[in-house]
This record gives sequence, structure tokens and C-alpha cells, in this order.
Amino acid sequence: KQEVTQIPAALSVPEGENLVLNCSFTDSAIYNLQWFRQDPGKGLTSLLLIQSSQREQTSGRLNASLDKSSGRSTLYIAASQPGDSATYLCAVPSGGSYIPTFGRGTSLIVHP
Amino acid sequence: GAVVSQHPSWVICKSGTSVKIECRSLDFQATTMFWYRQFPKQSLMLMATSNEGSKATYEQGVEKDKFLINHASLTLSTLTVTSAHPEDSSFYICSATGRDSYNEQFFGPGTRLTVL
Repeated sequence: KQEVTQIPAALSVPEGENLVLNCSFTDSAIYNLQWFRQDPGKGLTSLLLIQSSQREQTSGRLNASLDKSSGRSTLYIAASQPGDSATYLCAVPSGGSYIPTFGRGTSLIVHP
Repeated sequence: GAVVSQHPSWVICKSGTSVKIECRSLDFQATTMFWYRQFPKQSLMLMATSNEGSKATYEQGVEKDKFLINHASLTLSTLTVTSAHPEDSSFYICSATGRDSYNEQFFGPGTRLTVL
């Protein structure tokens, strides 16, 4: 069974900082890995999807990397803004499945 | 991008009643839909997976007779919480994947259920 761990659990930073959010998983035989954003009381917004054959994906100020062999993914947020404040979730399927297991998330606060 | 809607966005009901939540894919055909529940400050827990026209597959510990899932078409899945009790109060979120989405999941906005 896939286990997903996200570090740190919470992060509070001033505006403008570059951030690194970490996700580790136990079963590396995965098809893909997905990063989501969740605002309080809201559903999930997909940020980046990395296929197993890819090493990284970029969207605007976001960059996600994937190292399957070590069971790790990193979400990098450049020049953070108050609007980035949210919970960031990492989702990884178990080996042989497309159904993801979610980490508990990193709660991010970016203050002006 | 792919859009998934849920209705209602929130519902309050009395203990013992049944509540139906709809999940729709608006601009794509959802080959598979997923239902999750999320407790405060917790991550998402998968409840069941449903494919159009077939019975849902429930996760261990989820009562299939209590949480009825119907995936009647490629754009609609429903979750009915039967004989709801206060412990069923939670945030219910659906997601969907389509044929051409490389198994990327698209999530609905969620439904907040409060059982009094």
C-alpha cells in the first residue's frame, strides 16, 4: 500500500521567498504523481501532473520534480505571493494502479 | 481545462434522512469517477471508484449500503448518504478522469454535509 508523506506540515513565510515543498512515497512503481492546491472549504485544483517517464513539469512560478528511484517529489514555488496561501497536496498512485493516495498536505501562509 | 461540478455545495439535514450529491463532468466524458471524504485538517480518503455502467468499487471499511453510488452516464455520478447520522458530517469531494487526460484527476468543488 502506498504511503505518502509531506514535509513540512505547515509553512509561514514573507512574500517574495522561494519555497520548497517535499513529498515522499514508499512504492516507486508509479504511473504518475500529481500536485494539488486546496483553499479552505474548497475542492482541489490540479497544479501539475508528472508522468512516470518525466523528471519535472513547470507551470508559471511552479516547478515540480520527480525522482522515482528515491521516492521523492518536490514542488518549488518561486517568488511567493499572498495568493499562494493554501494547502498543497501531493497524490501518488500505488504500484499498478491509477488511483492516488494523498499526503496530508503542507499548509502554506504567505504574508505581505 | 476539464471542469467538474458538484451539487449541492452544502447541505444540512436531520439525522435519519438521506442526502444525494451529484457530480458532473461538464466538458468531457468521465470514464471513471471517484468519491472522497475529508475531515477537518485531514487529507482525502477514497471512498469508492465508479466506472460508467458498472457497480462501484468500495474501499475497505466503507459501507456500500450506506453510501450508494450510481454512475449512470459518462458525465454524471451520484452519491447518496442513506440514513445519515452526525458522524457522516464531512466534506465530500468527487473527481473524474477522462479518456484523453492521461489519468489526471479533475476535482469538483466539494459538498459540505452537516447532519444534525
